[in-house]
Amino acid sequence: GQNIDQPTEMTATEGAIVQINCTYQTSGFNGLFWYQQHAGEAPTFLSYNVLDGLEEKGRFSSFLSRSKGYSYLLLKELQMKDSASYLCAVRDRDYKLSFGAGTTVTVRA
Amino acid sequence: NAGVTQTPKFRVLKTGQSMTLLCAQDMNHEYMYWYRQDPGMGLRLIHYSVGEGTTAKGEVPDGYNVSRLKKQNFLLGLESAAPSQTSVYFCASRIASGESQPQHFGDGTRLSIL
Repeated sequence: GQNIDQPTEMTATEGAIVQINCTYQTSGFNGLFWYQQHAGEAPTFLSYNVLDGLEEKGRFSSFLSRSKGYSYLLLKELQMKDSASYLCAVRDRDYKLSFGAGTTVTVRA
Repeated sequence: NAGVTQTPKFRVLKTGQSMTLLCAQDMNHEYMYWYRQDPGMGLRLIHYSVGEGTTAKGEVPDGYNVSRLKKQNFLLGLESAAPSQTSVYFCASRIASGESQPQHFGDGTRLSIL
């Protein structure tokens, strides 16, 4: 099974940078995903990591360290529309995802 | 593209009633999943399917049944609804090939059991 931990809430100012950490304990790691979920909406895919290192996609970057069971999602140049919940999910060898409880990010003007 | 479509979007049931939630995807995806999402908890996998005619149990399968008679549809059934099944239910699908391919989610079904 998987045990996935991420902070419950974070607050940041528009234009700033926020880093959302995710730690996991897993049996059979096969990739880590980050999803964004606005209130009342479906989760949407943000990023995927399977090897150690940083993946950059525009204002969003995601980092993975498999030996430490650790990932982070970095949101740069925060915009009001980035206020949402961010979900860390670990995939196992059967291609099933286990999700953390999500981190609610509030962006203030 | 419609993507993943869930029906209905909202429903209120009485304890003991039965109902079926429908998930339809038009992306020709092999894998399909049903999750529930409760406050303070992550998405939890109920059942999943890796192809037409196949289903498997996830983390929280009790009280639910599923069927995958057609590749594009994945049905979730509640035989005798209980208040503990009040939740938001999400369906997702994924193409079988491609390690980096994510799951794509529907908009959810908000279900209340009184």
